Amino acid sequence: KAGVTQTPRYLIKTRGQQVTLSCSPISGHRSVSWYQQTPGQGLQFLFEYFSETQRNKGNFPGRFSGRQFSNSRSEMNVSTLELGDSALYLCASREGTSTDTQYFGPGTRLTVL
Amino acid sequence: AQKVTQAQTEISVVEKEDVTLDCVYETRDTTYYLFWYKQPPSGELVFLIRRNSFDEQNEISGRYSWNFQKSTSSFNFTITASQVVDSAVYFCALKNNQGGKLIFGQGTELSVKP
Repeated sequence: KAGVTQTPRYLIKTRGQQVTLSCSPISGHRSVSWYQQTPGQGLQFLFEYFSETQRNKGNFPGRFSGRQFSNSRSEMNVSTLELGDSALYLCASREGTSTDTQYFGPGTRLTVL
Repeated sequence: AQKVTQAQTEISVVEKEDVTLDCVYETRDTTYYLFWYKQPPSGELVFLIRRNSFDEQNEISGRYSWNFQKSTSSFNFTITASQVVDSAVYFCALKNNQGGKLIFGQGTELSVKP
């Protein structure tokens, strides 16, 4: 099976803009989670989607949002970008039960200027 | 609250040395899951192992081995006869029995020199 794919791989935006990141899970996986990785804060959980419903949300401002489509693909949106949003955004997918292992994509590196 | 601590920020060894990466966790849950992931310079997190809280058996996979001890809340990872290709950042992570949220440690950057 193909792994988790994320597009784009690299992105440069300016403050105030918005951005949309995309994640395609492993075939058959119904759950998608998003994580932000920065040098200062490390890896932090953003949110999780299962069957098009947000199941869990991390401690991030409302500028961070997401959604999941019927084919399990997910998008993450960040509005009104700030310099501190510069990070590696990782998407992970799992089959769906709470015991399943999460498999990660290559990430999208977002730079905010 | 759940927490994962990887006290070693950076480790540098010479090829063929054995190296142990430490991981200590905190949780009030009785059922939980522990993971190790490897992050090479490319950025992708590569899954290495998962351990359930009710299974304290240690595991060996090739040059990798894991020591899970509930009594000390530790889940340490040992690489035997390290190789240059083992150079990466290694993350320990914790998950409870609900949902998919992983709590990560800060990571240990391993550098294996030839």
